[in-house]
Amino acid sequence: NAGVTQTPKFRILKIGQSMTLQCTQDMNHNYMYWYRQDPGMGLKLIYYSVGAGITDKGEVPNGYNVSRSTTEDFPLRLELAAPSQTSVYFCASSYAQGRETQYFGPGTRLLVL
Amino acid sequence: GDSVTQMEGPVTLSEEAFLTINCTYTATGYPSLFWYVQYPGEGLQLLLKATKADDKGSNKGFEATYRKETTSFHLEKGSVQVSDSAVYFCALGRNQFYFGTGTSLTVIP
Repeated sequence: NAGVTQTPKFRILKIGQSMTLQCTQDMNHNYMYWYRQDPGMGLKLIYYSVGAGITDKGEVPNGYNVSRSTTEDFPLRLELAAPSQTSVYFCASSYAQGRETQYFGPGTRLLVL
Repeated sequence: GDSVTQMEGPVTLSEEAFLTINCTYTATGYPSLFWYVQYPGEGLQLLLKATKADDKGSNKGFEATYRKETTSFHLEKGSVQVSDSAVYFCALGRNQFYFGTGTSLTVIP
């Protein structure tokens, strides 16, 4: 049981480039989330999904896009990368929203230069 | 709105010392409360949780009690080990999750 997997582990982007961060879970969870973690700032919610075909914005969605075509996959797209998007990105999933435990992937470290 | 305030670090302790990391929350209704641990270079792992007032979560020698009267969920361990060195996050789950800023713990031999 792999849980939540993310690729790549690390990436360097130039300003203005785009990329997709991949996230897959094998726990058949309906709810999936993308967070970014900045030093000393905790985690901030970027986007979340309550099921295939349904996504919604979190606290810091600007500069990002998501899609959810299957229960398992929840990719995060960065368009026109900016230095402010340098961060560690975590994908998570849960059986239900709110009060239920969220399970996290290992993270993707992104550096925008 | 909902929020979590967590003790700032970093915290450095000697092996076998007692650990307390303070966490207080603000929320309407009845949230679930969590402690997550993040080891270097890894994602967050659930350490323990409590879903209602007076519940005690425990795992790997760590404990935390859901105190509604003081809106707190302090993390404690009686005797820390070098392997406990990590960053600890308090979190609140209601409509969505709210995380504290994390407390870095270093345990020295």
